[in-house]
Amino acid sequence: QQQVKQSPQSLIVQKGGISIINCAYENTAFDYFPWYQQFPGKGPALLIAIRPDVSEKKEGRFTISFNKSAKQFSLHIMDSQPGDSATYFCAVLGGSSGDKLTFGTGTRLAVRP
Amino acid sequence: GAGVSQSPSNKVTEKGKDVELRCDPISGHTALYWYRQSLGQGLEFLIYFQGNSAPDKSGLPSDRFSAERTGGSVSTLTIQRTQQEDSAVYLCASSLRGGPSYEQYFGPGTRLTVT
Repeated sequence: QQQVKQSPQSLIVQKGGISIINCAYENTAFDYFPWYQQFPGKGPALLIAIRPDVSEKKEGRFTISFNKSAKQFSLHIMDSQPGDSATYFCAVLGGSSGDKLTFGTGTRLAVRP
Repeated sequence: GAGVSQSPSNKVTEKGKDVELRCDPISGHTALYWYRQSLGQGLEFLIYFQGNSAPDKSGLPSDRFSAERTGGSVSTLTIQRTQQEDSAVYLCASSLRGGPSYEQYFGPGTRLTVT
């Protein structure tokens, strides 16, 4: 059973545009929702994370929107830059999964100059 | 400061051989995780060590996979009798403690190719 569904699989955005990536989860016991950014040949790096007690968290150009009732959360990248071109993974942690991250399938973002 | 390091960065092995992958976590981090990243399966959890507690092995795909963590620091992931489906990038992560309050820092991974 896929616990985290991520979409789209790939995304092309023009420089300066808004990139939006969505994730949906099944288990309401999850209590930590991070987004990871991965460049080719590198390990994933934490970009931004949110807890279920808030509906939005913003750090610079990156914002997580969280909808607890719909069991969905999304990453918004404002003013997208070519340097943002990477693969993005949502993840969940908590509940019966304990301390291990369960990842979405990833979104490959390309920001065109 | 030094991040999580993994060695080797690349490993090519023949089907049926055993391989050992090494992870050096960030100094002082008590929690250590192994994940596997492959085209067909995405990023999946393998095993988790937290301090002196028994490891969570629930993600190991078969009994050919094992891992140990010596002295609460360095960890080795061993794959016996490798199969072609074991080809993947093996990622190690560490965190100060287990749980959602502590960020998991990932190493660059070991790319394993089984021929």
